[in-house]
Amino acid sequence: DAGITQSPRYKITETGRQVTLMCHQTWSHSYMFWYRQDLGHGLRLIYYSAAADITDKGEVPDGYVVSRSKTENFPLTLESATRSQTSVYFCASLDGTDTQYFGPGTRLTVL
Amino acid sequence: AQKITQTQPGMFVQEKEAVTLDCTYDTSDQSYGLFWYKQPSSGEMIFLIYQGSYDEQNATEGRYSLNFQKARKSANLVISASQLGDSAMYFCAMREGLRGGSQGNLIFGKGTKLSVKP
Repeated sequence: DAGITQSPRYKITETGRQVTLMCHQTWSHSYMFWYRQDLGHGLRLIYYSAAADITDKGEVPDGYVVSRSKTENFPLTLESATRSQTSVYFCASLDGTDTQYFGPGTRLTVL
Repeated sequence: AQKITQTQPGMFVQEKEAVTLDCTYDTSDQSYGLFWYKQPSSGEMIFLIYQGSYDEQNATEGRYSLNFQKARKSANLVISASQLGDSAMYFCAMREGLRGGSQGNLIFGKGTKLSVKP
């Protein structure tokens, strides 16, 4: 199906474990983004990518790593998960009309 | 300082009535974009409407319109003829810089929870 998908939709992990959240879009959009959503903070940008192999930090990048070897994929890795990284994570891509379209989100719980 | 301020944490509206959700922004850029997104209880983020800083007319999309007052730096969302399905969180967001020329990063407000009463 066309659009932007995220996997897994729900994930429970333990402190210190590595976790990778996947994001895939079928539109061939150049720009992609990762946000986290926490109560009282709205959405905050973690990382973004302007194209394959080009990534840059957003507002809250600490503890996260991204890569973008292909235009359609933009995985987000928590190298050593902490409880403060319990959140809902949204991936988004930017279309030609300057609008960001979001994936369905991944709810991550770090115990 | 917050760049996007939504002062109404929660609002109620009667079904079929109109409602205005407030949003003020802060930027020194001349070129910027303003967006509204809806987040229902299912969690997805749904794009509603966009207003560019150089657009002279207020944006409209069906029952949604954006009341853009540039001098006051406000971009309020107006929903006409509210429906039960409009109950959701609503986020105002801003993209600073040139359309298509920036990284397109959005800065979000903290949201307003709208509840539509039957």
